[in-house]
Amino acid sequence: QVTLKESGPVLVKPTETLTLTCTVSGFSLSNARLGVTWIRQPPGKALEWLAHIFSNDEKSSTTSLKSRISISKDTSKSQVVLIMTNMDPADTATYYCARIAGRGGAKAFDLWGQGTMVTVSS
Amino acid sequence: SYELTQPPSVSVSPGQTASIPCSGDKLGDKHACWYQQKPGQSPVLVIYQDIKRPSGIPERISGSNSGNTATLTISGTQPMDEADYYCQAWDITTWVFGGGTRLTVL
Repeated sequence: QVTLKESGPVLVKPTETLTLTCTVSGFSLSNARLGVTWIRQPPGKALEWLAHIFSNDEKSSTTSLKSRISISKDTSKSQVVLIMTNMDPADTATYYCARIAGRGGAKAFDLWGQGTMVTVSS
Repeated sequence: SYELTQPPSVSVSPGQTASIPCSGDKLGDKHACWYQQKPGQSPVLVIYQDIKRPSGIPERISGSNSGNTATLTISGTQPMDEADYYCQAWDITTWVFGGGTRLTVL
């Protein structure tokens, strides 16, 4: 059974750094056909893509947050880590990780984690 | 930056056909995906590569993509189809989501 599970702090203060971990099971982060991505959703708002990483360590992140976001993976631990610096109340959201499957431009996020709600407040 | 536009809401009567459009510049040249999200739940992939359904997604859910518009169509809409639907596409190095459409089954 393939699962993804997000973990991290529920509450962070403004200006602090957020570290979220996505632990996957049922597939390997070394699988050349798969990747992992992070998406967030502020309360009552739309989905927003944040970053992705593939088995060959190819990474990309959204332009608007590129200076604040980094993504990495530990294949041996089956974990993908998202780091976001200088957190702001506007970053309050549910953060999801998802698996990317498919080829070329036809990839899709075929399985999602349950999400973790992060509140930014002093 | 690339943008995908969806109507905020669509209403449909039970048993009727619902169509949810997603527009973007030359979207037909890209591959569109659709996700269904019910309240309090994670999104679920319902359409990928414009027209394909993952295992477990009913045949009454279908997709199309041509020109500047991708469309999600739900035939014989059921109350269980009431949800938010998001389109998505890959643009160069960025994944883009539409703003989402709330489907209400009246």
